[in-house]
Amino acid sequence: GQNIDQPTEMTATEGAIVQINCTYQTSGFNGLFWYQQHAGEAPTFLSYNVLDGLEEKGRFSSFLSRSKGYSYLLLKELQMKDSASYLCAVRVLSGNTPLVFGKGTRLSVIA
Amino acid sequence: NAGVTQTPKFRILKIGQSMTLQCTQDMNHNYMYWYRQDPGMGLKLIYYSVGAGITDKGEVPNGYNVSRSTTEDFPLRLELAAPSQTSVYFCASRPQTGGNTEAFFGQGTRLTVV
Repeated sequence: GQNIDQPTEMTATEGAIVQINCTYQTSGFNGLFWYQQHAGEAPTFLSYNVLDGLEEKGRFSSFLSRSKGYSYLLLKELQMKDSASYLCAVRVLSGNTPLVFGKGTRLSVIA
Repeated sequence: NAGVTQTPKFRILKIGQSMTLQCTQDMNHNYMYWYRQDPGMGLKLIYYSVGAGITDKGEVPNGYNVSRSTTEDFPLRLELAAPSQTSVYFCASRPQTGGNTEAFFGQGTRLTVV
């Protein structure tokens, strides 16, 4: 089976930096995605990594280490609107296979 | 562009009833997916389709059926609703080109079976 692990919940302070980790053990690897999901809403795409290293996009960055089966999402200058669930997902096989999702990390940003 | 549209947004079903969750996309995407999301859980794949006339089972297909007669539409059918099917259902689509293309999600259907 495929296994993707994330912390269940995290709390961070407005203006701070938070790192959300994701580890995966899958039968193959063809890319890792991060999605943001506000309560009661649909997931929306944040980032994609397929090669080792850091991808930066504004306040959000995502890192991948394929040898360690590890990724993190880094959120800087936290804002209250960043309170949401963050879903890590892996494409296990070729480009036409669906994503396998972790259970998500619920982030609460407090003043 | 409306994106991915799901109807209805909310529904209450009695045990044993049947219903169809509708999903339509106007982006000409070949790939479409149905996921369910239970509280505190991730998205679990029910069925998916890589093009009109082609469907495949996902991780949790039991109790559901799908069809894909057109590129735009991918309805999900529940034949005999059970309380275990109480969940939020998301439809998603993505273009065929490249493994790096993200999926676009509909707003979800919140289903309660009582």
